[in-house]
Amino acid sequence: QQPVQSPQAVILREGEDAVINCSSSKALYSVHWYRQKHGEAPVFLMILLKGGEQMRHEKISASFNEKKQQSSLYLTASQLSYSGTYFCGTESSGTYKYIFGTGTRLKVLA
Amino acid sequence: DGGITQSPKYLFRKEGQNVTLSCEQNLNHDAMYWYRQDPGQGLRLIYYSQIVNDFQKGDIAEGYSVSREKKESFPLTVTSAQKNPTAFYLCASSIGQGWDQPQHFGDGTRLSIL
Repeated sequence: QQPVQSPQAVILREGEDAVINCSSSKALYSVHWYRQKHGEAPVFLMILLKGGEQMRHEKISASFNEKKQQSSLYLTASQLSYSGTYFCGTESSGTYKYIFGTGTRLKVLA
Repeated sequence: DGGITQSPKYLFRKEGQNVTLSCEQNLNHDAMYWYRQDPGQGLRLIYYSQIVNDFQKGDIAEGYSVSREKKESFPLTVTSAQKNPTAFYLCASSIGQGWDQPQHFGDGTRLSIL
């Protein structure tokens, strides 16, 4: 039921690109993306709504796949400040509860 | 500036003791949430409230209690029934319960056992 994120961890050099996936067994009606720095609260990045519009925040964008069972977060030309753990969040199928994905730790090296 | 204030930042609990974590928001948000985060793990929903005087259990409500007497306040009590309370607790709020509304988080409270 909890969305599964992949990869679990990724290390890249400054300026490289990365993709983080958030997968569910059922169609996702909306997906939120958050970034959490170590020891801090998660910070909202963007919402991807049912219409599947690709949203953008600085050089970070997100989209749904065709069946809307997976959302992908694209980090372009990564910066050191992109380091942190990325979480997707969505509704728990059939309930009004909000659930977060398993998380992806991203480390950007100079 | 509007935001969510959690206090205290650090809290220590003795065996058999109840402790209360404070969460206040001045964003005029209707919905408020409590999450628990264990080291290296994701966020798990404890309780949530959509309106004043109403709240629902999340996935790990056992050993916790909440109240929502005012729109801006959503305190969480960790009772002695919660046998493993050591964790990072995050309070969040959103304008409404709709899934097009982002959640805004407080800075969290770290709870440890003495």
